[in-house]
Amino acid sequence: DIQMTQSPSSVSASVGDRVTITCRASQGLSSWLAWYQQKPGKAPKVLIYIASSLQSGVPSRFSGSGSGTDYTLTINSLQPEDFATYYCQQANSFPLTFGGGTKVEIK
Amino acid sequence: QVQLQESGPRLVKPSETLSLTCTVSGGSISTYYWSWIRQPPGKGPEWIGYIYYTGNTTNYNPSLKSRVTISLGTSRNRFSLKLTSVTAADTAVYYCAMYDSSGHSVFNYWGQGTLVTVSS
Repeated sequence: DIQMTQSPSSVSASVGDRVTITCRASQGLSSWLAWYQQKPGKAPKVLIYIASSLQSGVPSRFSGSGSGTDYTLTINSLQPEDFATYYCQQANSFPLTFGGGTKVEIK
Repeated sequence: QVQLQESGPRLVKPSETLSLTCTVSGGSISTYYWSWIRQPPGKGPEWIGYIYYTGNTTNYNPSLKSRVTISLGTSRNRFSLKLTSVTAADTAVYYCAMYDSSGHSVFNYWGQGTLVTVSS
């Protein structure tokens, strides 16, 4: 199985800040990586697919980058509705696996 | 807009079988892959497996494969999960989701999730 390691596990930030979340895979993903946002009591919602493609309807302040084993989700100008937990998910090989999550909290 | 809704018992006794059904509305089940994902309290999601809309292809997480069956429902637009010999470690929020493997390779539609507790 491909192990997905996210860092940090939590980050405190203020509205307007830029936040960067990293996901490292135990083997190369050939960009088959997605990012999700999850709010308490809700299902995850896809933000980014194939490492850097923005899902339809997702604000442009969200962006993804990376290649090989290392990927990044950046949130520019953090908004109040962005406080949530973020997960990466690899789709390079089965079983599909998720990271442990990064909680973005209000500073 | 595709919508999914999980249904089934929320309390299951240890050693028994967990059974859930997902009802799909707003779109046809006759495309894509239909998945089950679970999320233990405070942890990241875990993919359980999927079934192709034709019903002739399934793929399970090896960690659960010996205990899992995903099948299409007899009623159109439904699919089901069965997990046998459950223990407390199977307590989680269970989601059904649509997996788009055509190019995006993401779970782009999810149910609201249902918390299943394994306890006597």
